[in-house]
Amino acid sequence: DQQVKQNSPSLSVQEGRISILNCDYTNSMFDYFLWYKKYPAEGPTFLISISSIKDKNEDGRFTVFLNKSAKHLSLHIVPSQPGDSAVYFCAASSGNTPLVFGKGTRLSVIA
Amino acid sequence: DTGVSQDPRHKITKRGQNVTFRCDPISEHNRLYWYRQTLGQGPEFLTYFQNEAQLEKSRLLSDRFSAERPKGSFSTLEIQRTEQGDSAMYLCASSKDRGRSRTDTQYFGPGTRLTVL
Repeated sequence: DQQVKQNSPSLSVQEGRISILNCDYTNSMFDYFLWYKKYPAEGPTFLISISSIKDKNEDGRFTVFLNKSAKHLSLHIVPSQPGDSAVYFCAASSGNTPLVFGKGTRLSVIA
Repeated sequence: DTGVSQDPRHKITKRGQNVTFRCDPISEHNRLYWYRQTLGQGPEFLTYFQNEAQLEKSRLLSDRFSAERPKGSFSTLEIQRTEQGDSAMYLCASSKDRGRSRTDTQYFGPGTRLTVL
């Protein structure tokens, strides 16, 4: 039973345009959500997070939106840059429990 | 700024051998986590420590796996009698506990890639 789902294995976006990565979850107890970026042969790098008491959090080019009623969150990257090409993981937690990750979405930003 | 470090970065071993990995967390972080990642999957939780206490173990952690954090600083993960199915990236993460009601952000090391022949 997959509690965190990233239904798009891959996404291609033109440089300068917006990238939107989606994530759905099933456990209504999750109260904290994170996005990580991963390059090959490296560990995940923390990007941005959001608490369930908010519906939006912004950090530079990265914005995370949370829709609790739909159990859905999304990561927006604008403008997309070639260096953003990586695998992006959505993760969730409840009450400080270990993170539950999705399977990831591979983003390719085309110059 | 020293992040989470892991050693070795790569390990190739023969089936049946024992292997041990080390993780050094960010110095002021009291929580340390081990995850495993296989191809096409996200990281999967194995176990975690708060200081030297091992607080939770996943059912993925068979009795061939053991983890320690003897002084609440670095941690080791040992796999005994390795099997080909143990081949994976083993990731360590650390965080600073901010209290029970608040989830802490975990920072990951570069991982140890294990190949069992």
